Amino acid sequence: GENVEQHPSTLSVQEGDSAVIKCTYSDSASNYFPWYKQELGKGPQLIIDIRSNVGEKKDQRIAVTLNKTAKHFSLHITETQPEDSAVYFCAASRGSSGNTGKLIFGQGTTLQVKP
Amino acid sequence: DAGVTQSPTHLIKTRGQQVTLRCSPKSGHDTVSWYQQALGQGPQFIFQYYEEEERQRGNFPDRFSGHQFPNYSSELNVNALLLGDSALYLCASSLVAGRTNNSPLHFGNGTRLTVT
Repeated sequence: GENVEQHPSTLSVQEGDSAVIKCTYSDSASNYFPWYKQELGKGPQLIIDIRSNVGEKKDQRIAVTLNKTAKHFSLHITETQPEDSAVYFCAASRGSSGNTGKLIFGQGTTLQVKP
Repeated sequence: DAGVTQSPTHLIKTRGQQVTLRCSPKSGHDTVSWYQQALGQGPQFIFQYYEEEERQRGNFPDRFSGHQFPNYSSELNVNALLLGDSALYLCASSLVAGRTNNSPLHFGNGTRLTVT
């Protein structure tokens, strides 16, 4: 069935270092891949997304790469700051006609950035 | 510009009871999806409402039902509550009408349901 595997489950880095989170999806029809950041007591907040016709997307310190052949996508955070500490989720969906539809989420990565 | 709002924020119910959770989508959005997030897990899709109809449903029993109103707000109803229904229930909204690209989902802060 549809599945998204996310690694690592926990990640601890020093402030200023880079962090990388990797996800693998099973549904080859997936065409939309968002990343969410969830802070304690809050809902997931969209930080970046990528569509299947694009291999890489960057927004300031955050970048996402997609390898459709291998069904892998990754989140890269550079120059990490303590406020980047949170749980990060990757997700995949096979939306159509503008409707993202059902998001399949990974299990989450708890990122800790040490000052 | 108000984001997705959910009420109540916390709720405690007893096994066998029924519960109704409410969601107002982000201004300008027309589609509402509901997710269940167990502690330490990623959100799981319950269902999606668009044009007041259930469009897609995840692997949840019929005890979970919903509704979307003409103003695009939505309710999630859960009957015959089980201990295992304890979770954070998240509402997400998006804009579908007139789009060709996948519409990003914006989540509310959720309703924390505890079943005792």
